[in-house]
Amino acid sequence: DTAVSQTPKYLVTQMGNDKSIKCEQNLGHDTMYWYKQDSKKFLKIMFSYNNKELIINETVPNRFSPKSPDKAHLNLHINSLELGDSAVYFCASSQEGQNSGNTIYFGEGSWLTVV
Amino acid sequence: GESVGLHLPTLSVQEGDNSIINCAYSNSASDYFIWYKQESGKGPQFIIDIRSNMDKRQGQRVTVLLNKTVKHLSLQIAATQPGDSAVYFCAPGGDSSYKLIFGSGTRLLVRP
Repeated sequence: DTAVSQTPKYLVTQMGNDKSIKCEQNLGHDTMYWYKQDSKKFLKIMFSYNNKELIINETVPNRFSPKSPDKAHLNLHINSLELGDSAVYFCASSQEGQNSGNTIYFGEGSWLTVV
Repeated sequence: GESVGLHLPTLSVQEGDNSIINCAYSNSASDYFIWYKQESGKGPQFIIDIRSNMDKRQGQRVTVLLNKTVKHLSLQIAATQPGDSAVYFCAPGGDSSYKLIFGSGTRLLVRP
């Protein structure tokens, strides 16, 4: 069973559209994250949630709205997609924060291409 | 702000040789450091971690060295294999335990 699963894996969409990426973890973790990886492989955190509560919002445009219906799910909705949103989006989870020595487990990524 | 940098963006090694991937960080308050490996088309995977009260930690074929004085850590891979080809990231703990800051990554290429 996949520990952190996200769908869809590939998404091609036009500018201005609204799209969602779903994420589920079956590890029983309390904390979930969304990271964005650009074409130069630079990984940057977008959001982190702990027990469904928003902990980190790294100055992400408000077109991006995460939603955590329960501890095992963290979905990412993006409104009015722009060309610059093209990237790979990674969902991840950990048991509490990573500075407590808790490993972050990543999903396989969702490749978003905005045309 | 915090920054993490790597000395070599791409490292090419002969199969069987040892590899050393370096990472510099700026936040002297970081007390926990992680190395991740990302294979093509996949998400990053945990390799090894080290706390600031240690200067060396060994795993299976991998060793991480931490020099807090110069804010530098390295990942050493012994007897590099083709399966080690990937992008490697160091990630010092940031100012929040819920925020990992990743370095820009080093691509390791293993020549047969």
